[in-house]
Amino acid sequence: DGGITQSPKYLFRKEGQNVTLSCEQNLNHDAMYWYRQDPGQGLRLIYYSQIVNDFQKGDIAEGYSVSREKKESFPLTVTSAQKNPTAFYLCATREPGEESYTFGSGTRLTVV
Amino acid sequence: QKEVEQNSGPLSVPEGAIASLNCTYSDRGSQSFFWYRQYSGKSPELIMSIYSNGDKEDGRFTAQLNKASQYVSLLIRDSQPSDSATYLCAVDWAGGTGTASKLTFGTGTRLQVTL
Repeated sequence: DGGITQSPKYLFRKEGQNVTLSCEQNLNHDAMYWYRQDPGQGLRLIYYSQIVNDFQKGDIAEGYSVSREKKESFPLTVTSAQKNPTAFYLCATREPGEESYTFGSGTRLTVV
Repeated sequence: QKEVEQNSGPLSVPEGAIASLNCTYSDRGSQSFFWYRQYSGKSPELIMSIYSNGDKEDGRFTAQLNKASQYVSLLIRDSQPSDSATYLCAVDWAGGTGTASKLTFGTGTRLQVTL
């Protein structure tokens, strides 16, 4: 089945730790996106990538980093510089020629 | 800053009634508009897309777009309890040749369909 796999589903981070959220897709889509959602809020764009080895900052990139070494993978690292990382993180892809996004199932990150 | 505004609700409608969800956006250059449904704890799923002024119908759902008023709405006819969810309005502005397409989301309207 084609789709987007995000892992882990739940993640707990201690203060001062870096953690990496995985996003893998087998849809052969070029464009990939990371969004953050806080309770009762909409989605805010963190980073996006249109092609391999290229990515751009979104609206709230501070404290986050990404890489795009393979078309299938777009991991997001939440660094210790992100002061309020507790949120629901969503990875999405966009099919060429289409403008709507397909979302993964999300990772819920909690700081403990 | 491109903004998308929605009433957070909750919007409560009885089963079988019409639910009307509204969204306004700030960027006159916006070209594509989407409605997503999100159940609690789940990821958003696309319900409707609309690109030109007027109405677009798909089953019990109708999307309406008025670019002059910068307004997009979603009507849900014969509302069912399974329609209870948060509905996110999303707006895309490509920004011209070579510019990446990015969706800006509203905060969502929570819909409750009561028995």
